[in-house]
Amino acid sequence: DQQVKQNSPSLSVQEGRISILNCDYTNSMFDYFLWYKKYPAEGPTFLISISSIKDKNEDGRFTVFLNKSAKHLSLHIVPSQPGDSAVYFCAAPGGMGTSYGKLTFGQGTILTVHP
Amino acid sequence: EAGVTQFPSHSVIEKGQTVTLRCDPISGHDNLYWYRRVMGKEIKFLLHFVKESKQDESGMPNNRFLAERTGGTYSTLKVQPAELEDSGVYFCASSYRGTWSPGNEQFFGPGTRLTVL
Repeated sequence: DQQVKQNSPSLSVQEGRISILNCDYTNSMFDYFLWYKKYPAEGPTFLISISSIKDKNEDGRFTVFLNKSAKHLSLHIVPSQPGDSAVYFCAAPGGMGTSYGKLTFGQGTILTVHP
Repeated sequence: EAGVTQFPSHSVIEKGQTVTLRCDPISGHDNLYWYRRVMGKEIKFLLHFVKESKQDESGMPNNRFLAERTGGTYSTLKVQPAELEDSGVYFCASSYRGTWSPGNEQFFGPGTRLTVL
């Protein structure tokens, strides 16, 4: 049972335009949602989070929106830059288990930003 | 400050052999996690150490996998005997506290790519 899902394997965007990455979840008990970014041959790095009691969190060019009724969140990158090309993972701490600290990840979306 | 390091970066072994992966967490991080990503799928949790104790090993696939963290510093993950389906990238992460909160995120290592032939 996959509790966090990213249904788009890839996204291609022109430099300067907006990138929108989507994520759906099934477990309404998650308190936070996270986005991680991963470059080839590197580990995931934390990008931005949102609390389940908020509907928006902004950090520079990155904004995450949360729609709790739809169990959906999205990451907006504006404007997109070629250096943003990476795999983006949606994640949530906790889940079906005993460890609150463990992260439950989606499958990832490969973002390619073309110059 | 050094990040999370993992060794080796890549390992190719034959089915039935044994492989041991090593993770050195960030100094001072009591919490250490192992994750695995198989062929473009999601990154899956394997287990969580708090110091040398296993807090949660609910994600360990089977008893061919053995994780240790003697002394509460570095950790090893041994796969014995390795099977084809064990191929993937094994990530280690560490954090200061065990409960996620803003400012207490998990820092990931670069991963070990394991290929079982």
